[in-house]
Amino acid sequence: EIVLTQSPGTLSLSPGEGATLSCRASQSVFSSYLAWYQQKPGQAPRLLIYGASTRATGIPDRFSGSGSGTDFILTISRLEPEDFAVYYCQQYGSLPGTFGQGTRLDIK
Amino acid sequence: QITLKESGPTLVKPTQTLTLTCTFSGFSLRTSGVGVAWIRQPPGKAPEWLALIYWDDNRRYSPSLKSRVTITKDTSKKQVVLTMTNVDPVDTGTYYCAHSRFIVPSGMAAFDDWGQGTLVTVSS
Repeated sequence: EIVLTQSPGTLSLSPGEGATLSCRASQSVFSSYLAWYQQKPGQAPRLLIYGASTRATGIPDRFSGSGSGTDFILTISRLEPEDFAVYYCQQYGSLPGTFGQGTRLDIK
Repeated sequence: QITLKESGPTLVKPTQTLTLTCTFSGFSLRTSGVGVAWIRQPPGKAPEWLALIYWDDNRRYSPSLKSRVTITKDTSKKQVVLTMTNVDPVDTGTYYCAHSRFIVPSGMAAFDDWGQGTLVTVSS
């Protein structure tokens, strides 16, 4: 089973700033089958990025994903108030699909 | 527009069997490449994938739960059912069903639409 480690655990930033979230896999993620989700309190996760770098339908272009192998990055270029949430990465290149433990993005 | 909604008991006693139903609309489970999964999330923790059923009735299960979990579908009713036997308090959490059209050769998927989730508490 692939273990995903996200860092930092918590990130405190101000609206307008940029954010960089990291997801590191314990072994190579096949074909960069890595997704990023955003979750707000009381809501289900929302798919942001799949295939490491493809934005899901309706996701603003301030969200971008990059990486391959074992190291992946989610970048939010200019934080909007609605972006403060918990972010999870998920690998689906091998069974079982696994999630990282999450990065909480807080308003500074 | 794709929607999914989970239903089932909110409280289950240890050792009992939990049955959850996902009722969906906006897509067909007869369409090639489509799947529906169950994913759970303990309070304050990360999501955990449990099971996935595909348009062709193939199924995949999390190895850690494979002996306790069964996923089935009723295509005409537009429902997917999860059954979990011998539940324990550690099974407490919010259970989500989710749709995917991103199934890859491994048999896993990314999930592009989720239900609102249903909170299940396992307690005597």
